[in-house]
Amino acid sequence: GAVVSQHPSRVICKSGTSVKIECRSLDFQATTMFWYRQFPKQSLMLMATSNEGSKATYEQGVEKDKFLINHASLTLSTLTVTSAHPEDSSFYICSAIAALLAGGYETQYFGPGTRLLVL
Amino acid sequence: QKEVEQNSGPLSVPEGAIASLNCTYSDRGSQSFFWYRQYSGKSPELIMSIYSNGDKEDGRFTAQLNKASQYVSLLIRDSQPSDSATYLCAVNGGTGGGNKLTFGTGTQLKVEL
Repeated sequence: GAVVSQHPSRVICKSGTSVKIECRSLDFQATTMFWYRQFPKQSLMLMATSNEGSKATYEQGVEKDKFLINHASLTLSTLTVTSAHPEDSSFYICSAIAALLAGGYETQYFGPGTRLLVL
Repeated sequence: QKEVEQNSGPLSVPEGAIASLNCTYSDRGSQSFFWYRQYSGKSPELIMSIYSNGDKEDGRFTAQLNKASQYVSLLIRDSQPSDSATYLCAVNGGTGGGNKLTFGTGTQLKVEL
């Protein structure tokens, strides 16, 4: 259980174009999803928290107009990188919360990631 | 400022030995603690979660939590070459943190034949 998928797994695009990445929880409903970015040999950097049916909450320094997040259903969140530039090339990873029955603590399960290369 | 600190390594252990990975955190209000394994080029995979002081065992893995010392560790028994990866410590539920995880920078583990 608690499987999260991402699509596409890898994308190459030209500078100035927009790229959409999908994150799906396959066997559970996720009221909250998170989007991370990871540069080579660095740790995960949280970009935004995506809540179903409401606006995403962006971390400091993340441009909300450049990284558009939509969480239209309990199983799908999308991240659109608008007007992508080479410096946006990175590994984008989503996660979703699966609520645990015992204790009430919620665990994040990660998707496989999307590697973006902007030429 | 919430922080989670880990030694970046690499930590090298021979096959069959016990690998000990350590993590300290600064927010005393933190409620839940996680260890993720990340292979190169892949996304993090949940290994263990722990919420109460003491030890929690799952197969070859044991997580240890000491909230008074703000310390969490992961022991890997009978280390295998396939355990070679970066291990990320993550903390949840601290002051104002909600469901967000704060990650350490990870410890690279190398299990040598």
